[in-house]
Amino acid sequence: LAKTTQPISMDSYEGQEVNITCSHNNIATNDYITWYQQFPSQGPRFIIQGYKTKVTNEVASLFIPADRKSSTLSLPRVSLSDTAVYYCLVRGGTASKLTFGTGTRLQVTL
Amino acid sequence: DSGVTQTPKHLITATGQRVTLRCSPRSGDLSVYWYQQSLDQGLQFLIQYYNGEERAKGNILERFSAQQFPDLHSELNLSSLELGDSALYFCASSVAAENTEAFFGQGTRLTVV
Repeated sequence: LAKTTQPISMDSYEGQEVNITCSHNNIATNDYITWYQQFPSQGPRFIIQGYKTKVTNEVASLFIPADRKSSTLSLPRVSLSDTAVYYCLVRGGTASKLTFGTGTRLQVTL
Repeated sequence: DSGVTQTPKHLITATGQRVTLRCSPRSGDLSVYWYQQSLDQGLQFLIQYYNGEERAKGNILERFSAQQFPDLHSELNLSSLELGDSALYFCASSVAAENTEAFFGQGTRLTVV
């Protein structure tokens, strides 16, 4: 089971780009990298998923280097409403569990 | 709205009691997951079901049990409740057993007094 490591917390000002990096050194060949966002007292919400290189959607971008041992979630021009906990997950195959780590608590201020 | 429905939203009960939490997955989703989140704690994976069968097990206590019914809804049973069981319990669903995109309900907040 691939273990993930991400910063416990990050601070940003509104309007800035935020990059949250996740380390997953023992990622397996069939593992995908997924990011979730969770607001207080709400269930997590899927943000983005990728396998390699770069993935972009209307909310974020996900950068994955060739060795896939890390990934970076990029949030463009954050607003106060982006204050949340962001989780990086690595999962693949039928035997693996959808397991969340400790996440990164992002605080956005004016 | 994720399409996942959890009931009840809030539950207050006494120590030693037993409660049942219910989850209705998104239409078409065959896999259901249960998680526990204590105050300021991370999401602890409890158990996963796929099409009625147990698929994966996490750190679920022996006092807790779950099942998924033929109509795909799931119930999490918590018995001999302790103060430390007070937490938010989330249910999530996904189309397949190994999907990384899961949809979470709003949770059931359990308070044991």
